[in-house]
Amino acid sequence: AQSVAQPEDQVNVAEGNPLTVKCTYSVSGNPYLFWYVQYPNRGLQFLLKYITGDNLVKGSYGFEAEFNKSQTSFHLKKPSALVSDSALYFCAVRDYGNNRLAFGKGNQVVVIP
Amino acid sequence: DAGVIQSPRHEVTEMGQEVTLRCKPISGHDYLFWYRQTMMRGLELLIYFNNNVPIDDSGMPEDRFSAKMPNASFSTLKIQPSEPRDSAVYFCASTRGQGTEQYFGPGTRLTVT
Repeated sequence: AQSVAQPEDQVNVAEGNPLTVKCTYSVSGNPYLFWYVQYPNRGLQFLLKYITGDNLVKGSYGFEAEFNKSQTSFHLKKPSALVSDSALYFCAVRDYGNNRLAFGKGNQVVVIP
Repeated sequence: DAGVIQSPRHEVTEMGQEVTLRCKPISGHDYLFWYRQTMMRGLELLIYFNNNVPIDDSGMPEDRFSAKMPNASFSTLKIQPSEPRDSAVYFCASTRGQGTEQYFGPGTRLTVT
């Protein structure tokens, strides 16, 4: 079964600094990878996805993610963090042949003014 | 489009009572998912439907939980009888096709006393 690991519970970063949220995955075939963001008392919002093609994927709100097959990683990045980026971030993976998404436990991102 | 609609947004009930959560997916979407989110267990997939047919209910915790999708625009998740450990935020999500991003509703916060 597919799975995702998000090793850090919380990521603290100063406003204006680069932000990285780490994700590694395990899947039997070619992965479909996703990042979602959740603001307090809200549902998850889609940020970006990797299906195939370029390893660097660009998404909403200036976020991007780099797919690395050899390291089975899909880290989320933003060059310059904003206070408004403070939220809970989820990585997810879908296995080929079904439509289930396996979510990581989530990373709380705190951007310090 | 109004997005995925869930009702009620908040539900407080006493142990032993029946609880029904409702979801209206985005029009044209053929997949519908029910998730549960808690601090301890994170985001868990309970069940998902394709074209109104349950495909995978392996995440449904017990027989006390049941889900239906009588038509393409409506689904319910029922808990009978409810227990305090069922307290969580329940999300509904929908998508069109396989490998595409899921769109989440705002969630129902259930408290069972």
